Amino acid sequence: KQEVTQIPAALSVPEGENLVLNCSFTDSAIYNLQWFRQDPGKGLTSLLLIQSSQREQTSGRLNASLDKSSGRSTLYIAASQPGDSATYLCAVNNGNKLVFGAGTILRVKS
Amino acid sequence: SQTIHQWPATLVQPVGSPLSLECTVEGTSNPNLYWYRQAAGRGLQLLFYSVGIGQISSEVPQNLSASRPQDRQFILSSKKLLLSDSGFYLCAWSVQGGNQPQHFGDGTRLSIL
Repeated sequence: KQEVTQIPAALSVPEGENLVLNCSFTDSAIYNLQWFRQDPGKGLTSLLLIQSSQREQTSGRLNASLDKSSGRSTLYIAASQPGDSATYLCAVNNGNKLVFGAGTILRVKS
Repeated sequence: SQTIHQWPATLVQPVGSPLSLECTVEGTSNPNLYWYRQAAGRGLQLLFYSVGIGQISSEVPQNLSASRPQDRQFILSSKKLLLSDSGFYLCAWSVQGGNQPQHFGDGTRLSIL
């Protein structure tokens, strides 16, 4: 059974810092991995998707990496801003099914 | 472009009452459709998914059921709600195929009294 773990559970940083969110999964037989952002009381916004054959994806200040053999992914946020404050969720796709981590609550202080 | 709609946005229901949440997708055909629940203090859990009209797969035993009466319509139902059914319900869609990204609606906040 696939299990996804996200570390840290919560993170508070001053504006402008670079930061890394971690995601690990137990079964490396995945199709892809998706990073989402969730604002309080809202749905999920897809940030980046990395296919199992890829090593990383970039979008603006966001960079996600994938090491499938070790079951790890990281989300790197450069030059953090208060608007980045949200819960970040990692999810692995085992074939038509996403298994989510519990998320990292990020607060960027101005 | 594709869009996904969920309604209602919030719902307060008494224990034992029925439930019907609706999700529709526009701008695509023959999508995979999903229902997830996010309970307080817990992560997102897949409840049901569908790869076609009338085809429903259930991931966890529960008090809920799902139906897909039309290609782009997915309905989550219950005959009698329990307190434990409270949570944030999210619908999602993807293009057919195991490696496609999933796109989520804005969710329904369900409170059971």
